[in-house]
Amino acid sequence: AQKITQTQPGMFVQEKEAVTLDCTYDTSDPSYGLFWYKQPSSGEMIFLIYQGSYDQQNATEGRYSLNFQKARKSANLVISASQLGDSAMYFCAMREGANSKLTFGKGITLSVRP
Amino acid sequence: DADVTQTPRNRITKTGKRIMLECSQTKGHDRMYWYRQDPGLGLRLIYYSFDVKDINKGEISDGYSVSRQAQAKFSLSLESAIPNQTALYFCATSISLAGRNEQYFGPGTRLTVT
Repeated sequence: AQKITQTQPGMFVQEKEAVTLDCTYDTSDPSYGLFWYKQPSSGEMIFLIYQGSYDQQNATEGRYSLNFQKARKSANLVISASQLGDSAMYFCAMREGANSKLTFGKGITLSVRP
Repeated sequence: DADVTQTPRNRITKTGKRIMLECSQTKGHDRMYWYRQDPGLGLRLIYYSFDVKDINKGEISDGYSVSRQAQAKFSLSLESAIPNQTALYFCATSISLAGRNEQYFGPGTRLTVT
């Protein structure tokens, strides 16, 4: 079974609107971390936000927030007030236990329309 | 200056050639990783190293080898390159402290094997 699943096809959002990018995960380890990375067309990988499995509150970093639903094993990224510069590929990743290795999903392409 | 650097940034080589990709970091992190990215497949872990004397195989290590020359340097070698090793290669680093331990990525090396 895939550990990280990102199944949305290419996503489109109007500038200034909010968008949610879906991520579901699969692990039996009670201690894990979930990450979102952004990859613009220039290719670099940019860390956006982190959610720990024991964190009581959903993570937020500026315009990014993580809708963490532990029972559903989902960790959706919400981008508020989309900007043209948000157009990129977005990857969800998971770290299990104390191991710092990451398992990545296949990514979602987001296009922001002016 | 970039904290994680990769050389070369682009490389075209022929089938059967030996090639080395190099990664250096100034972040003082002890953990380093090599990933490859293929379209539609996300990032997959090739090798990782938790310190100079600790090297581990990742998900797709066949056809690759690595060397951790110093805490700050981690190189990836393709002993005999083949066309299906054409991909974007990323080096990443993290630190072994409790907490989120996000990985910081280099700019990537685009490798083409003809």
